[in-house]
Amino acid sequence: ETGVTQSPTHLIKTRGQQVTLRCSSQSGHNTVSWYQQALGQGPQFIFQYYREEENGRGNFPPRFSGLQFPNYSSELNVNALELDDSALYLCASSLAGGPLYGYTFGSGTRLTVV
Amino acid sequence: DAKTTQPPSMDCAEGRAANLPCNHSTISGNEYVYWYRQIHSQGPQYIIHGLKNNETNEMASLIITEDRKSSTLILPHATLRDTAVYYCIVRGPGNQFYFGTGTSLTVIP
Repeated sequence: ETGVTQSPTHLIKTRGQQVTLRCSSQSGHNTVSWYQQALGQGPQFIFQYYREEENGRGNFPPRFSGLQFPNYSSELNVNALELDDSALYLCASSLAGGPLYGYTFGSGTRLTVV
Repeated sequence: DAKTTQPPSMDCAEGRAANLPCNHSTISGNEYVYWYRQIHSQGPQYIIHGLKNNETNEMASLIITEDRKSSTLILPHATLRDTAVYYCIVRGPGNQFYFGTGTSLTVIP
């Protein structure tokens, strides 16, 4: 069985630009969650997608948006990038409503906004 | 309001037991407490979870107080490879999990 793959692993963007991060789910999983981890902080929940719809959202502004595709892969889009958006973005796949130990995390995408 | 509270850092001598505490006084009665670790900003790695009984697996032991307001993760014989940030995690509203700020454990040779 394959794990969770995120791409790209690193990228640098300029303030005000838009960025798209990608995540492939583990085989058999139907839900994707996205977390933002600023330097020195724990991961913070952005949102979760199930059946191609947002299924829970943390305290993030609307310029953070997402998509889930029929094959359960997902994208995280961030518009109008700000310097504080610099962080490690983690994707985790799971079965809907499942416990945390059933989540599979990717290695993350390191975004730097300059 | 913080869902979990952990000391920011701890040291442990190699080969000794590492005891990492966590307060989670607002945990719901039917929710697990989970422990994960993260090495070099990789994805979080599962260690152990529990509801109200003490738990043990090949990686660690988990001691949960009777009132469920706190727990302690025990790494029985810490090695240099156990140097990492350890997170005590509980479920929050809206399908999220609250990681908190974690404890940075340094295992010293």
